[in-house]
Amino acid sequence: GNSVTQMEGPVTLSEEAFLTINCTYTATGYPSLFWYVQYPGEGLQLLLKATKADDKGSNKGFEATYRKETTSFHLEKGSVQVSDSAVYFCALTPYGNKLVFGAGTILRVKS
Amino acid sequence: GAGVSQSPRYKVAKRGQDVALRCDPISGHVSLFWYQQALGQGPEFLTYFQNEAQLDKSGLPSDRFFAERPEGSVSTLKIQRTQQEDSAVYLCATRVRGAGETQYFGPGTRLLVL
Repeated sequence: GNSVTQMEGPVTLSEEAFLTINCTYTATGYPSLFWYVQYPGEGLQLLLKATKADDKGSNKGFEATYRKETTSFHLEKGSVQVSDSAVYFCALTPYGNKLVFGAGTILRVKS
Repeated sequence: GAGVSQSPRYKVAKRGQDVALRCDPISGHVSLFWYQQALGQGPEFLTYFQNEAQLDKSGLPSDRFFAERPEGSVSTLKIQRTQQEDSAVYLCATRVRGAGETQYFGPGTRLLVL
């Protein structure tokens, strides 16, 4: 089946620290991979995506690389800000329609 | 409108009541999805429409749940005889059309069944 596993949170960092949130997946075929973010009181927003192996998605200083050999799509940011505090969801779409989400990782950034 | 809108934003129901949750998609978006998000979990797929056609309803948890999109625009998710385990946030997402395109999510309806 199709599934996504994310590192458990909450992850608490100081401002300007380096961020990694691990995500691994199981899927049939060649899924597209996504990171969505949910800021407090807001809806889910697409952060970045990658559609094939070795693609790198990037947005707002965040990056993730589609690694087929390790079935991973880890989210990284070099220097986090307080405004990055949110819940981050890794997701895949096996056939291009429904999204399959991980459980989410809470990120808290302290000033 | 500028984004996907959902109503009501909050709904409290007594066990056994029927509820109806509405989704207004972004104008022109052909595809529409419903997801259920339990507390502390990621969203889980319920059902998918392309225009008015319900192409996938494999995620609906029981026959108490059904969804419709009669004119290919607004969609309604209906839950009959609500149970406590139905308490969750119900999310609607829409996209322009194709499989490679981004899904845009609404703010969700938080349902609490007492």
